[in-house]
Amino acid sequence: KQEVTQIPAALSVPEGENLVLNCSFTDSAIYNLQWFRQDPGKGLTSLLLIQSSQREQTSGRLNASLDKSSGRSTLYIAASQPGDSATYLCAVYVGGGFKTIFGAGTRLFVKA
Amino acid sequence: NAGVMQNPRHLVRRRGQEARLRCSPMKGHSHVYWYRQLPEEGLKFMVYLQKENIIDESGMPKERFSAEFPKEGPSILRIQQVVRGDSAAYFCASSKGPDTQYFGPGTRLTVL
Repeated sequence: KQEVTQIPAALSVPEGENLVLNCSFTDSAIYNLQWFRQDPGKGLTSLLLIQSSQREQTSGRLNASLDKSSGRSTLYIAASQPGDSATYLCAVYVGGGFKTIFGAGTRLFVKA
Repeated sequence: NAGVMQNPRHLVRRRGQEARLRCSPMKGHSHVYWYRQLPEEGLKFMVYLQKENIIDESGMPKERFSAEFPKEGPSILRIQQVVRGDSAAYFCASSKGPDTQYFGPGTRLTVL
């Protein structure tokens, strides 16, 4: 059974700091992995999607890596800003089961 | 190309009433998935449907919950005789096939 774990559960950093969010999954048979951002009371914003054949994806200050063999992904945020404050969700799509399994999220607070 | 649409965005029901949540997939998408996010928790898979068929309902509570995706019109998630524990955000996602899922903004159900 696929399980997704995100560490840390919460993180508070000063503005300008580079930071890493971690995601681990128990079954390497994934179709793709996606990082989302969720603001309080809001929907999901897709940040980065990494296909199972890829190692990383980049968008602006964000970089996500994927190591299927070890069941790990990291989301790197460079030069953090207060506007980055949100909950970041990691999700794996297990093609065989046709469902997306989500982690519980990392709640990020960037202090001005 | 409009994204996944969900309505209503907010729904308030009293205990014992019925809640009907609608999801219109992206154009060209024939696969729909419903997820539930309880307060302070991650998203959990509920059901996966294709046009007129339920493919996987392993995450759906056995009683009071039902889902459909008719040949014409949106997918409907129906909750009968709602209880306070049903209060949550319900997200819909769609895809072209067993592929990347695109998420809607969610419906926030509050049961009084």
